[in-house]
Amino acid sequence: DAKTTQPPSMDCAEGRAANLPCNHSTISGNEYVYWYRQIHSQGPQYIIHGLKNNETNEMASLIITEDRKSSTLILPHATLRDTAVYYCIVRGNTGNQFYFGTGTSLTVIP
Amino acid sequence: DAGVIQSPRHEVTEMGQEVTLRCKPISGHNSLFWYRQTMMRGLELLIYFNNNVPIDDSGMPEDRFSAKMPNASFSTLKIQPSEPRDSAVYFCASHPESGRVTGELFFGEGSRLTVL
Repeated sequence: DAKTTQPPSMDCAEGRAANLPCNHSTISGNEYVYWYRQIHSQGPQYIIHGLKNNETNEMASLIITEDRKSSTLILPHATLRDTAVYYCIVRGNTGNQFYFGTGTSLTVIP
Repeated sequence: DAGVIQSPRHEVTEMGQEVTLRCKPISGHNSLFWYRQTMMRGLELLIYFNNNVPIDDSGMPEDRFSAKMPNASFSTLKIQPSEPRDSAVYFCASHPESGRVTGELFFGEGSRLTVL
């Protein structure tokens, strides 16, 4: 069961930051927040994950609120290749279930 | 590494026929997942294995679906008999460490099934 809520779609201008929100108000203390994306016709691809601290890697930044009930994935300089469906997932560290919701369809506009 | 390998990439069959989808996980990964993706229901977890043992098959839609993992390098998802509503893209994914948080779930390219 997906435990997250995401807007169904968003647009972003090329070169600008894309900020994708996710609500996970029922998250428990040992559950991590993961982000994946799926480019059309391909399998989902891992982006980033975090527990309570903000995280950054070469692809994106993850900002988690202090109460951990929501998070934001930031693509600092969106390109056309970032057009994809982005999934926010909550997963505990004792189970292997990765439940994907319906995600946010991000369209980067030239 | 070649990544997660799925076959066939495309399958068109008629209602009532048996369908077998195959998956080779990344070498050394000991968790394997089968997902189904449709426009209506999105990406659904069907079943996952840890160390070749099925752990959670609660997502398997009905008895027509079965999955096996006879060894660490091979898994099958079988549908018998197939129905038009089974048309979907089926993804296999593997994870390096069962029961631990390591981040990445590696997906194959998927098998697109069309049941006429």
